[in-house]
Amino acid sequence: GAGVSQSPSNKVTEKGKDVELRCDPISGHTALYWYRQSLGQGLEFLIYFQGNSAPDKSGLPSDRFSAERTGGSVSTLTIQRTQQEDSAVYLCASSWDRVFSGELFFGEGSRLTVL
Amino acid sequence: AQSVTQLDSHVSVSEGTPVLLRCNYSSSYSPSLFWYVQHPNKGLQLLLKYTSAATLVKGINGFEAEFKKSETSFHLTKPSAHMSDAAEYFCVVSGAGTASKLTFGTGTRLQVTL
Repeated sequence: GAGVSQSPSNKVTEKGKDVELRCDPISGHTALYWYRQSLGQGLEFLIYFQGNSAPDKSGLPSDRFSAERTGGSVSTLTIQRTQQEDSAVYLCASSWDRVFSGELFFGEGSRLTVL
Repeated sequence: AQSVTQLDSHVSVSEGTPVLLRCNYSSSYSPSLFWYVQHPNKGLQLLLKYTSAATLVKGINGFEAEFKKSETSFHLTKPSAHMSDAAEYFCVVSGAGTASKLTFGTGTRLQVTL
């Protein structure tokens, strides 16, 4: 497809389990971002990739969170030993700009529920 | 440091009446400002952006916003609301030295009634 694709769209897991969330950005976009959106709150920045490297991972809330990007394309966000406070919608966005323009293209998100 | 404050968490208007969604910003640098819209179960979409050119910025679907430095505001307006405008709207700031990420407001949910 032409847009940013995220999977799964919905994930329900038990506390303590690991989860992987996938993002397939728009072809040719060099920049990729992960955000978290909790109920009633704005978007919280998690990590930014330029190509396969992550120059800014300052938003990752704990060492249970990690992300990687391969081939300058697909990215995976991994949450280990999930906790109930990890429940949120995880949004991925991409951009073709090396000079930041502020225009990000967002996927529809992965809704994570930790029981 | 930079931040945005969206003054209303929820706004309700009647179809055909004007829309005003308020946003104030704080930035140590000359900011770039944006409005994004999120329709239910959809990804966020850029509505408009200000990057130090014209202070009145026009966006998609008839929306516009005016950058007012003296008031540190970037309010979003539309002359006549349509039912399809019902969505969540986010004011966003990006400043020099923070090109890698945007700072989002907490959002304003716009409800449009008949």
